[in-house]
Amino acid sequence: EAGVTQFPSHSVIEKGQTVTLRCDPISGHDNLYWYRRVMGKEIKFLLHFVKESKQDESGMPNNRFLAERTGGTYSTLKVQPAELEDSGVYFCASSLTVVDGELFFGEGSRLTVL
Amino acid sequence: KQEVTQIPAALSVPEGENLVLNCSFTDSAIYNLQWFRQDPGKGLTSLLLIQSSQREQTSGRLNASLDKSSGRSTLYIAASQPGDSATYLCAVSGGYNKLIFGAGTRLAVHP
Repeated sequence: EAGVTQFPSHSVIEKGQTVTLRCDPISGHDNLYWYRRVMGKEIKFLLHFVKESKQDESGMPNNRFLAERTGGTYSTLKVQPAELEDSGVYFCASSLTVVDGELFFGEGSRLTVL
Repeated sequence: KQEVTQIPAALSVPEGENLVLNCSFTDSAIYNLQWFRQDPGKGLTSLLLIQSSQREQTSGRLNASLDKSSGRSTLYIAASQPGDSATYLCAVSGGYNKLIFGAGTRLAVHP
């Protein structure tokens, strides 16, 4: 069974450009999460989808970040326009149930904004 | 506001040692606590999940305990091996798998 996959693994862009990160959760997992670690800080929650609906987006830093999950399958996280402080590793995770249980993480997408 | 602290930040030990990694959290109202392992450039691998009603979980050479009332968890690694070298992360859930992570403990086990 395939795990959580993320693309791209690494993206380098100029300040002001747009980047879109993609996450494919484990098949059948209705719950999809985005987390990120910026330089020197702990991993922090960004948002949680249940199927195609946003359950909790309290961790989204500002309106330059847009997450979507069309059809309740894969998810994209777009940063537009990117700023230097957006550099970091963006992790996607999925889980089978909403009731707290094991989260399965992808390998992350490293974003470098120059 | 929940805060998670991990001590030590880094640890270097010779192969074969038994070791303890510590995690503390400020708010005891948690649903569960998870220990993860992260290898350089890789994702997070779940090691052990302890529900709030449980006291400990074991998997192979790993044992994790949870004392919710005092806001503490420990990860015990028996007979450490060089392959155990990684960063170990502790995270607590306040509900709906919204995890709050500690900064991690970087472990190096040398032959």
